[in-house]
Amino acid sequence: EVQVVESGGGLVQPGGSLRLSCVVSGFPLRNIWMSWLRQAPGKGPEWVANINEDGSAIYYVDSVKGRFTISKDNAKNSLFLQMNSLRGEDTAVYYCAREPEYCYGTGSCFDYWGQGTLVTVSS
Amino acid sequence: EIVMTQSPATLSVSPGEGVTLSCRASQSVSSNLAWYQQKPGQAPRLLIYHASTRATGIPARFSGSGSGTEFTLTISSLQSEDFAVYYCQQYINLPPYTFGQGTKLEI
Repeated sequence: EVQVVESGGGLVQPGGSLRLSCVVSGFPLRNIWMSWLRQAPGKGPEWVANINEDGSAIYYVDSVKGRFTISKDNAKNSLFLQMNSLRGEDTAVYYCAREPEYCYGTGSCFDYWGQGTLVTVSS
Repeated sequence: EIVMTQSPATLSVSPGEGVTLSCRASQSVSSNLAWYQQKPGQAPRLLIYHASTRATGIPARFSGSGSGTEFTLTISSLQSEDFAVYYCQQYINLPPYTFGQGTKLEI
């Protein structure tokens, strides 16, 4: 059974930092692209960043470039998102999601999502 | 960035009715389009990928069509569990992948 579990969210002041973690089971992280997405209250999902099988290819949405860093530990089946210089507009539920091989082409969709972890940026 | 526009924002329907949701891309995404269903307090659930292929476990009453810039999601006979928000997402080329703003199905 596939499981995706995020953790690490919380309340942080503007300019602060948080590190999100995502532990997966049921499939090996070393064989798959993974993404972080977020969803602000009342809004649609927004893709944030992704990383390929061995960590050699990484992409970010423009609004987080230079502030967020995605990484992974394949041996621990874990994905991370280091978030620095946080702003109010980063407030959202953050999801970790798998990019399935059957969607691979020029991009991908997302088939397994975690339950999300809430990040609130406020003073 | 490719902008995805969904219509309508809200759709009031009754159980047993059929419904069609629309999604438009600001430029061609070929067939690289997915549909998701989201219920309150839950993560989005993949329904359709490659514009018309149902994901594993998705009932046959859900169908997708379209290519290029115009796409539709059809639910043939609404069940009570189908009342939710539906999002489309394009995934042509490298990121950023973008989502529509959603269509809410309500009774």
